[in-house]
Amino acid sequence: QKEVEQNSGPLSVPEGAIASLNCTYSDRGSQSFFWYRQYSGKSPELIMSIYSNGDKEDGRFTAQLNKASQYVSLLIRDSQPSDSATYLCAVNWGNRDDKIIFGKGTRLHILP
Amino acid sequence: ETGVTQSPTHLIKTRGQQVTLRCSSQSGHNTVSWYQQALGQGPQFIFQYYREEENGRGNFPPRFSGLQFPNYSSELNVNALELDDSALYLCASSPGTGGTEAFFGQGTRLTVV
Repeated sequence: QKEVEQNSGPLSVPEGAIASLNCTYSDRGSQSFFWYRQYSGKSPELIMSIYSNGDKEDGRFTAQLNKASQYVSLLIRDSQPSDSATYLCAVNWGNRDDKIIFGKGTRLHILP
Repeated sequence: ETGVTQSPTHLIKTRGQQVTLRCSSQSGHNTVSWYQQALGQGPQFIFQYYREEENGRGNFPPRFSGLQFPNYSSELNVNALELDDSALYLCASSPGTGGTEAFFGQGTRLTVV
């Protein structure tokens, strides 16, 4: 059974600080990793994708992947109140008969 | 370039009825996946269509069925609605299979009473 685990939170972070969101997954065969942001009542929005070990930076966001530890994280620098949302970690195993499996999400609250 | 669009945005149905939800994929995308998201949960994979063929299915009963059309738009059909089917139904399109990025439509909020 392929699973993606996240702490449900809420994670409270002061404005301007770094928010760190973590995710573990169950299967070493995983190929593609994604972070989605979901505001309340809205659909998920893709913010980062990462495919190889190491760090990938995009603006204030950095995704980190460690396949040996089956661990992927998202760092948000200079957190803003608008970053308050649920962050969904998603994993794809890259086969033809594939699907993206989502974690339950971590609720992030940026404190003004 | 148009994004993923879903219709309707909200729907109220009675237990036992049937419902059809629609999705237009993003231009250039040939793969559509459907997800069910209950309140406070992550999206749960229902099934995926690639070039009009079902390409994978999650743990949903056969009363959940789908179609993909030659223009890659898609439908999700649910028969014999149950109260637990109340959820946000999400369609995601991607340019292929094998781990490519998926982009979601705005979702359809289904309420079964």
